Amino acid sequence: EDKVVQSPLSLVVHEGDTVTLNCSYEVTNFRSLLWYKQEKKAPTFLFMLTSSGIEKKSGRLSSILDKKELFSILNITATQTGDSAIYLCAVRGNTGKLIFGQGTTLQVKP
Amino acid sequence: NAGVTQTPKFQVLKTGQSMTLQCAQDMNHEYMSWYRQDPGMGLRLIHYSVGAGITDQGEVPNGYNVSRSTTEDFPLRLLSAAPSQTSVYFCASSYDTSGANVLTFGAGSRLTVL
Repeated sequence: EDKVVQSPLSLVVHEGDTVTLNCSYEVTNFRSLLWYKQEKKAPTFLFMLTSSGIEKKSGRLSSILDKKELFSILNITATQTGDSAIYLCAVRGNTGKLIFGQGTTLQVKP
Repeated sequence: NAGVTQTPKFQVLKTGQSMTLQCAQDMNHEYMSWYRQDPGMGLRLIHYSVGAGITDQGEVPNGYNVSRSTTEDFPLRLLSAAPSQTSVYFCASSYDTSGANVLTFGAGSRLTVL
């Protein structure tokens, strides 16, 4: 059965800190891994990863996938209070369905 | 483009009542899905569909029915609501199920069952 596990479940940091969020998965015939950010509404898309070792970057956020070890990390550098959110990881396998992890709740204090 | 439209945004039901959450997309997406979100639980997949006429169960399908008679619409039915179904529900769609497609979400529907 497809499974996605995120860690840590919650994290409190101060502005300027760097954080690393983890996502490990088990899925049959991996197709893609997606990261989303959720504030008090619907999730918004951050990154889609399909190949190992290729870093995706957007401003202070970056993500990389390791298909051999079955995990991905999401890095946020120089955190700001606006980064406070739930970060969700999801994986798609050969059934086509997208399964999400429990999410990591990040709080950035001023 | 309206994207993914969910209605209603808020609903209060009594235990045992039935209702349908509507979901429509105008992007010609083949894949559509319903999730529920509870505190600390992330998004859990209820049902999904890879095309018109095809539906399948997700992680938490009990108490919910779906149908996909058209590409555009994917309603979620609660036949006899229970307090355990109090949650925020999201409909989401993608062009197809290949690895190259991003999931687009509706705005969410907050359901309270008393």
